[in-house]
Amino acid sequence: GAGVSQSPSNKVTEKGKDVELRCDPISGHTALYWYRQSLGQGLEFLIYFQGNSAPDKSGLPSDRFSAERTGGSVSTLTIQRTQQEDSAVYLCASSENRGRGETQYFGPGTRLLVL
Amino acid sequence: DQQVKQNSPSLSVQEGRISILNCDYTNSMFDYFLWYKKYPAEGPTFLISISSIKDKNEDGRFTVFLNKSAKHLSLHIVPSQPGDSAVYFCAARTQGAQKLVFGQGTRLTINP
Repeated sequence: GAGVSQSPSNKVTEKGKDVELRCDPISGHTALYWYRQSLGQGLEFLIYFQGNSAPDKSGLPSDRFSAERTGGSVSTLTIQRTQQEDSAVYLCASSENRGRGETQYFGPGTRLLVL
Repeated sequence: DQQVKQNSPSLSVQEGRISILNCDYTNSMFDYFLWYKKYPAEGPTFLISISSIKDKNEDGRFTVFLNKSAKHLSLHIVPSQPGDSAVYFCAARTQGAQKLVFGQGTRLTINP
């Protein structure tokens, strides 16, 4: 079966440019998460979507970061005016979120390099 | 503030022996803990979890132990196999929350 997919797999951009990262969750999963992993660090929570509820944006590091989820499925993470410290692997995960303890399934990530 | 810590960045174990990966946490509100395994260029995959009402959970070669008083959990892999070589992340969640808080990861290498 299809897992979580992300695109692009790699992105190189110049400082100051905007980038969009895409996530296709597992079909039927109502919860979607974005995390990022900077070099040598663990995964850092960015944002969480659950159905039609307001997203939990508590992990977004600055107002240059935003995300949306259209139709309860595909999500796009946008980073405006990229900075070198934004370089990281951006990981998307989804889960069924029927209750407690559900597993989050991760995509392969988008490796972002800001020059 | 690193709420979940994996103090060993790397661990090397001989094939067939036991691998023990450790994780410490500081937030007493965490009530659910997970271990994820990550191969290069892939996303993390779920391995095993434990609720704070238990102190042990076993799944095949993998066992997770939780010591709430010490705020410590560990993952035991026995016997270790070459395919277990990967980065292992410990993660935790507070009651009612969905987001996971991850440790920095431990790179496990199983030597033939």
